[in-house]
Amino acid sequence: AQSVTQLGSHVSVSEGALVLLRCNYSSSVPPYLFWYVQYPNQGLQLLLKYTSAATLVKGINGFEAEFKKSETSFHLTKPSAHMSDAAEYFCAVSDITSGTYKYIFGTGTRLKVLA
Amino acid sequence: EAGVTQFPSHSVIEKGQTVTLRCDPISGHDNLYWYRRVMGKEIKFLLHFVKESKQDESGMPNNRFLAERTGGTYSTLKVQPAELEDSGVYFCASSQGTGFPDTQYFGPGTRLTVL
Repeated sequence: AQSVTQLGSHVSVSEGALVLLRCNYSSSVPPYLFWYVQYPNQGLQLLLKYTSAATLVKGINGFEAEFKKSETSFHLTKPSAHMSDAAEYFCAVSDITSGTYKYIFGTGTRLKVLA
Repeated sequence: EAGVTQFPSHSVIEKGQTVTLRCDPISGHDNLYWYRRVMGKEIKFLLHFVKESKQDESGMPNNRFLAERTGGTYSTLKVQPAELEDSGVYFCASSQGTGFPDTQYFGPGTRLTVL
């Protein structure tokens, strides 16, 4: 069975500081991984996705994530936090074993950016 | 291009009542998914349609939940009768189904409160 674990339900960073949101996965097959962001009163928006083409994936709004098979990780980073990055972030794996490609989500990490 | 829309955005009902949630996917998207997030927990898969056919309903909690997708367009999720534990945010997502991995586009969700 596939799963993802997000460490830290709440993360606070100062404006301009590095953002690091952690995601570890478990999968018996090569995983397909996603990061989504949810701003207040909005739906989930795709930030980036890993499809095995390149281990370093660049997404929107300056975010990127690196797939590390040896560490079973797919952490999300941004060099410099902006106030507008305050939101909830979700890591997900596409369940290819089920045939439906449904997503299995982590519990989410709420990012707070301090002025 | 319009995104995934959901109606209503909020619903407050009493235990035992019936509620119907609606999802309009992106035009042309064959795949439609329903997910639910109970407060404090992860977003969980409920079911998956391909056009008008249910492909996977393994996540449906019980037979009080009924999902339909008329003509392969919009979908409804009915809860009858509603129980307290049904409270949460219900998300709908759609994808084209033309390739893998298929990015899912999410709606803003319907927040259901059962009193």
